[in-house]
Amino acid sequence: GQNIDQPTEMTATEGAIVQINCTYQTSGFNGLFWYQQHAGEAPTFLSYNVLDGLEEKGRFSSFLSRSKGYSYLLLKELQMKDSASYLCAVLDSNYQLIWGAGTKLIIKP
Amino acid sequence: IAGITQAPTSQILAAGRRMTLRCTQDMRHNAMYWYRQDLGLGLRLIHYSNTAGTTGKGEVPDGYSVSRANTDDFPLTLASAVPSQTSVYFCASSDSKDGLTAFFGQGTRLTVV
Repeated sequence: GQNIDQPTEMTATEGAIVQINCTYQTSGFNGLFWYQQHAGEAPTFLSYNVLDGLEEKGRFSSFLSRSKGYSYLLLKELQMKDSASYLCAVLDSNYQLIWGAGTKLIIKP
Repeated sequence: IAGITQAPTSQILAAGRRMTLRCTQDMRHNAMYWYRQDLGLGLRLIHYSNTAGTTGKGEVPDGYSVSRANTDDFPLTLASAVPSQTSVYFCASSDSKDGLTAFFGQGTRLTVV
């Protein structure tokens, strides 16, 4: 079967750095997405990786290792507004998105 | 309209009633999706449509039906609602011209009592 694993919840301090991991086992791979979802709102796109390596976008970076079935989202200089759930999703061989359950990130002052 | 719009935003529905959730996008995206999101389970695909005139079943299609008469609209119908269909429903669309990134509507919070 297809499976995406990410931690259920993480806590970090304002101004710090946090890394959210995602491991996947899917039938084929056509890219990995990270989305942010604030409570009561829709998911919004953060990043997309299809090749191995690090993609940096401001305070957020996303890393991919296809051989290890592994990705992480790195958030720097954490702000209170970063408190949200972070969803990892893989585009499988049929170009369907397979979603992880999400990681709830709690930022403390 | 800018992006993707769902209606209603919330609804309380009696069990056994029929309900249609509406979804409209103005991005001319070929693919559209219906997901349900339940606590601890993440987003689960109900039905999808790769292009107008075609639909397909996702992970949890039972009790739901969809149609795709044109590019913009993708309604989801619950023929006879049951309490287990209480959930938050998200419509999304994507297209290769936008890198297959999924864009989401604001969601419909449905409670079946």
